Amino acid sequence: SQQGEEDPQALSIQEGENATMNCSYKTSINNLQWYRQNSGRGLVHLILIRSNEREKHSGRLRVTLDTSKKSSSLLITASRAADTASYFCATAPYTGTASKLTFGTGTRLQVTL
Amino acid sequence: DTGVSQDPRHKITKRGQNVTFRCDPISEHNRLYWYRQTLGQGPEFLTYFQNEAQLEKSRLLSDRFSAERPKGSFSTLEIQRTEQGDSAMYLCASSTVRTGGDTEAFFGQGTRLTVV
Repeated sequence: SQQGEEDPQALSIQEGENATMNCSYKTSINNLQWYRQNSGRGLVHLILIRSNEREKHSGRLRVTLDTSKKSSSLLITASRAADTASYFCATAPYTGTASKLTFGTGTRLQVTL
Repeated sequence: DTGVSQDPRHKITKRGQNVTFRCDPISEHNRLYWYRQTLGQGPEFLTYFQNEAQLEKSRLLSDRFSAERPKGSFSTLEIQRTEQGDSAMYLCASSTVRTGGDTEAFFGQGTRLTVV
């Protein structure tokens, strides 16, 4: 079963605008990760944030994590057409050895010129 | 190419036939995962290996599904007596444990199965 949900399910913006996606999850986590998936392809790892971190940056990506609300957000700044893809959050369980990832339902991002 | 590779990329089979997929993980990764993804959904965990040991299996993995990882290297996922509901993308991923338990998983391109 899915761990959580992404919001919105779909997002359409123009190139240059910022895109924000939210993720909610249900159980305690070791870390939360964001992945990108182009249509019909495999997933590409974007960024990992640990449960004791609140914010992390990587290039044009900014991720926040609020463990009290069991939620995370992914901000893509200055979007490009190449950012068009589905974005998934995935949680690693709070165990001694984090193993499987549990994915959300994804946000489909469309960036138009 | 040193990423995760999966073979075949596409498979069309008739209902009732058996199919087998192969995954070659990144060579230094000791963990290997299988996920299934249906259209419009996120990947769902099927099973996970640490080296050659299968440590966890999802309830999604019925007795028609079997996975192996002999010698802790490549893995195979077999589906026996396929059903139309098995049509999905089957994704393989591998990882290694870092300090603090972080496991960033690297995914293959997937095998798309269509059961007709």
